[in-house]
Amino acid sequence: AQKITQTQPGMFVQEKEAVTLDCTYDTSDQSYGLFWYKQPSSGEMIFLIYQGSYDEQNATEGRYSLNFQKARKSANLVISASQLGDSAMYFCAMRESENQAGTALIFGKGTTLSVSS
Amino acid sequence: KAGVTQTPRYLIKTRGQQVTLSCSPISGHRSVSWYQQTPGQGLQFLFEYFSETQRNKGNFPGRFSGRQFSNSRSEMNVSTLELGDSALYLCASSKTSGGFGTDTQYFGPGTRLTVL
Repeated sequence: AQKITQTQPGMFVQEKEAVTLDCTYDTSDQSYGLFWYKQPSSGEMIFLIYQGSYDEQNATEGRYSLNFQKARKSANLVISASQLGDSAMYFCAMRESENQAGTALIFGKGTTLSVSS
Repeated sequence: KAGVTQTPRYLIKTRGQQVTLSCSPISGHRSVSWYQQTPGQGLQFLFEYFSETQRNKGNFPGRFSGRQFSNSRSEMNVSTLELGDSALYLCASSKTSGGFGTDTQYFGPGTRLTVL
């Protein structure tokens, strides 16, 4: 069964430091997509970055990069130069099967990131 | 470009009542998905609509239903509310159904439902 595991309930970093949020996944499919979302206390889920299972290079979006290790089934989010506004809950999510009807995302439990000055 | 909008933002109901939540997707997006978020169960997929058809459904009782209109706006309904239905209900839209990359789901601000 498909599953996303985020083992870090909370992470604490100082401004300008880099931080890595862990995500491992379990799937029997060869074709899948991995996503990271940020959820501030306001509740809205903000899309950060996407990695396809066939992408050979790690995805990057500004200060966000995804450390994709397919053999280990891990898709860690790296945030460089943390800012106070990065304080939020971060969710890793997966969608399987490119040809499967529907776009249901499976989410991990999330990691709370706290950035201090 | 306007994002996904959800109304109402907050709702208080009592057990046994029913509730309807509304979601307007990003312009041009035809797929709308609904998720329930609770502290205990986390984020769980409810259902997805594409071109007015339900394409996928999560493991929720029949009290949870939805529909999509020709303009891609979607509503979800919960009948006979239970205390456990208290949650943040998130709506997400994407351009199409299925596939990756261009089919990133963009979420609205959510509707926070409290059942007393």
